[in-house]
Amino acid sequence: AQSVTQLGSHVSVSEGALVLLRCNYSSSVPPYLFWYVQYPNQGLQLLLKYTSAATLVKGINDFEAEFKKSETSFHLTKPSAHMSDAAEYFCAVSRMGANFGNEKLTFGTGTRLTIIP
Amino acid sequence: GAGVSQSPRYKVAKRGQDVALRCDPISGHVSLFWYQQALGQGPEFLTYFQNEAQLDKSGLPSDRFFAERPEGSVSTLKIQRTQQEDSAVYLCASSLGTSKAFFGQGTRLTVV
Repeated sequence: AQSVTQLGSHVSVSEGALVLLRCNYSSSVPPYLFWYVQYPNQGLQLLLKYTSAATLVKGINDFEAEFKKSETSFHLTKPSAHMSDAAEYFCAVSRMGANFGNEKLTFGTGTRLTIIP
Repeated sequence: GAGVSQSPRYKVAKRGQDVALRCDPISGHVSLFWYQQALGQGPEFLTYFQNEAQLDKSGLPSDRFFAERPEGSVSTLKIQRTQQEDSAVYLCASSLGTSKAFFGQGTRLTVV
């Protein structure tokens, strides 16, 4: 069984400040991990993914996340928040496999990021 | 097409009514997923197709939910005798299998 826990359903940061969104996972098998962003009335967009190649993963829009097996964490960070980053962010886990596009995702409950001007 | 297309974008159904939600995946994508996203929650897996074969339907919440993909392209999620707890956004995603899944904008179903 797999699950993810996102700590903090709402996070507010000032424009230009560091963004840190927390995700911890539980998996009985080696996981693949993902961060998705969802803007209002839009579908989910993949920010980045961990598929075992490197523990520090860089994604779009200067987001990055680090896989820490010892802490079972995959926190999302961005050095400097921009107003356009305001959205809902979801961490997700799937089983590790050759074709990860065939694997179902288990999502966390999401973190709503608000940017303060 | 350019992306995953879902229709209708919004659907209001009276309790007990049957509904059908359509998903047009990206052309050539063999894998197709349906997820249900309740208000304030993350998406939850419903079912998975590889081409026309439904390989996993473990997430369908009841036998009122039925999905098909007869020709391995367009998929339809059908909900019979809708209940208020079925109100949610239904997301469709497709992928080539070897790469990431692309999500549609979803269909927001409201059962009144």
